Amino acid sequence: DVKVTQSSRYLVKRTGEKVFLECVQDMDHENMFWYRQDPGLGLRLIYFSYDVKMKEKGDIPEGYSVSREKKERFSLILESASTNQTSMYLCASSPIWEQGMTYEQYFGPGTRLTVT
Amino acid sequence: GNSVTQMEGPVTLSEEAFLTINCTYTATGYPSLFWYVQYPGEGLQLLLKATKADDKGSNKGFEATYRKETTSFHLEKGSVQVSDSAVYFCALKPRGGSNYKLTFGKGTLLTVNP
Repeated sequence: DVKVTQSSRYLVKRTGEKVFLECVQDMDHENMFWYRQDPGLGLRLIYFSYDVKMKEKGDIPEGYSVSREKKERFSLILESASTNQTSMYLCASSPIWEQGMTYEQYFGPGTRLTVT
Repeated sequence: GNSVTQMEGPVTLSEEAFLTINCTYTATGYPSLFWYVQYPGEGLQLLLKATKADDKGSNKGFEATYRKETTSFHLEKGSVQVSDSAVYFCALKPRGGSNYKLTFGKGTLLTVNP
């Protein structure tokens, strides 16, 4: 089974702190994603990475950066946390899509971040 | 651009009731369509999928049919159980190999009471 793990289930940080959220997948997937989930807004893509050291902005990248130094690990960084970044953060991974295959993203359990 | 619209919740049903959660989409061409489910305290997991018009995806008693003419992918289950209580997300992936992004709807919270 594909496993995507996230470093923390719950995290409480203060405004202005630098925050690292870690995600690890064990299926050798090329693609990894960071989403945030908010009530009434669904899932919104922050960043994704299609290869080591490669990244692409998603729909809401402002205030975030990412790092992918190894294929299995994708980190989300909040340089200076703010209260409006209080949210549930979900990491996902997927293989490269090939013609004829069924595409699926595999999700981690999420990190609920509270910024006070 | 691509978008997914699904019925707003919350939806509250009694056990063994019939469930429909509506989902319509806007996309160029013929996307792949998905339903994901998020049980309390967990991440999302794929429930079912369809990749072309008139395909029916099914899993765990849930079904959804890809309707190109109405750009819809409604989720149905004939008899819900308490264990089906979760948030359900409709999503699409545009056709083409270079774009891996999924576009999600806002989610529908389902609560099933015994």
